[in-house]
Amino acid sequence: DVVMTQTPVSLSVSLGGQVSISCRSSQSLVHNNGNTYLSWYLQKPGQSPQLLIYKVSNRFSGISDRFSGSGSGTDFTLKISRVEPDDLGVYYCGQGTQYPNTFGAGTKLELK
Amino acid sequence: QVQLKESGPGLVQPSETLSLTCTVSGFSLTSYSVSWVRQPSGKGPEWMGRMWYDGDTAYNSALKSRLSISRDTSKNQVFLKMNSLQTDDTGTYYCTRDTMGTRDYWGQGVMVTVSS
Repeated sequence: DVVMTQTPVSLSVSLGGQVSISCRSSQSLVHNNGNTYLSWYLQKPGQSPQLLIYKVSNRFSGISDRFSGSGSGTDFTLKISRVEPDDLGVYYCGQGTQYPNTFGAGTKLELK
Repeated sequence: QVQLKESGPGLVQPSETLSLTCTVSGFSLTSYSVSWVRQPSGKGPEWMGRMWYDGDTAYNSALKSRLSISRDTSKNQVFLKMNSLQTDDTGTYYCTRDTMGTRDYWGQGVMVTVSS
């Protein structure tokens, strides 16, 4: 199975600040069709995960441009700029390239 | 608007079978695939399996011997059945809509506790 390793485990940020979350996969996430199926999700307290970014860098409908995704192969990053209170929660990366699809263990974003 | 809603028992006895239903609206099961994903408390999600839009299925090999996913397109429902439940199967179970290699919509989840 593809192992997704997220760092850091937790992150403290001031409102208005910027943070980066890293996600590394144990195998390349480039599919045979040339696409890279790496997604980022945010799970707010008591809620279901919600999609933020798909195929590495594409923002889902309604997602602020303060969220940006980058990377390739096995190394990916989510950046959040001008952090707002509604951004707090646990961020997960997930891959849809190989079976079984897998997720990282999460990065908790908290207020400093 | 796209919605998914899970339903099923909140408590299951060890060694028994879990049966869950995902009722969808706002899209067709013959156009989109639906996955089941579970999440133990405080841990990352685990993909369990998928009902493809064409009726085919795919399963996580770790669960394949215990898991079955089916659907009724006339009722807009996808079903999960998993047997021989143990305490480490406790968690929140979600159904998700799958597209472009991702899960774009998630249900609210149903909490399942395996306990005698």
